Amino acid sequence: SQTIHQWPATLVQPVGSPLSLECTVEGTSNPNLYWYRQAAGRGLQLLFYSVGIGQISSEVPQNLSASRPQDRQFILSSKKLLLSDSGFYLCAWSPDRVHSGNTIYFGEGSWLTVV
Amino acid sequence: TQLLEQSPQFLSIQEGENLTVYCNSSSVFSSLQWYRQEPGEGPVLLVTVVTGGEVKKLKRLTFQFGDARKDSSLHITAAQTGDTGLYLCAGVRGGSNYKLTFGKGTLLTVNP
Repeated sequence: SQTIHQWPATLVQPVGSPLSLECTVEGTSNPNLYWYRQAAGRGLQLLFYSVGIGQISSEVPQNLSASRPQDRQFILSSKKLLLSDSGFYLCAWSPDRVHSGNTIYFGEGSWLTVV
Repeated sequence: TQLLEQSPQFLSIQEGENLTVYCNSSSVFSSLQWYRQEPGEGPVLLVTVVTGGEVKKLKRLTFQFGDARKDSSLHITAAQTGDTGLYLCAGVRGGSNYKLTFGKGTLLTVNP
């Protein structure tokens, strides 16, 4: 069966420090990978998605970047964190296009607090 | 502008009551999904609706997709405390094969 893991689960970082959140998927190949951010326990905002190694699409301009160095690895990074980067970050994967009801599966989430 | 509007934003009811939450848009979606999320965890898929007018039942939960595929509703019968959580609808628009757009959610609290 497929599993998705992301870490760290919680992170407290000072303003201006770098960030690296990592996500890996097991039990599948060539998944579509996503990074979402959820503020104040509400709706999810899509930040990045990737349909293959080295292919990253950014949805919103921001202080963050994403990379996919391996097929099942997705990394969210920042060189200098801002206070507004605080939130709950969720990695997700889908086996194929989400059109016609293909499911997106979410990781456990990472709480980031920028102080 | 929020593409998917969910209402109500907050709902607090007593155990045993029925409730309906709504997900509305001015855009047409090729499919809509409903998720339930508990604090500190990732959302978990409840159902996907694809066909306009489709009704799906999952035990005490009934999901409906509007005929025009612009809206959806979730009805819970005889709510239980375990139904407490954030209910999110999410949709795929035609041509956006990789992107799921989420509403802001309805935070449901079922009191004993």
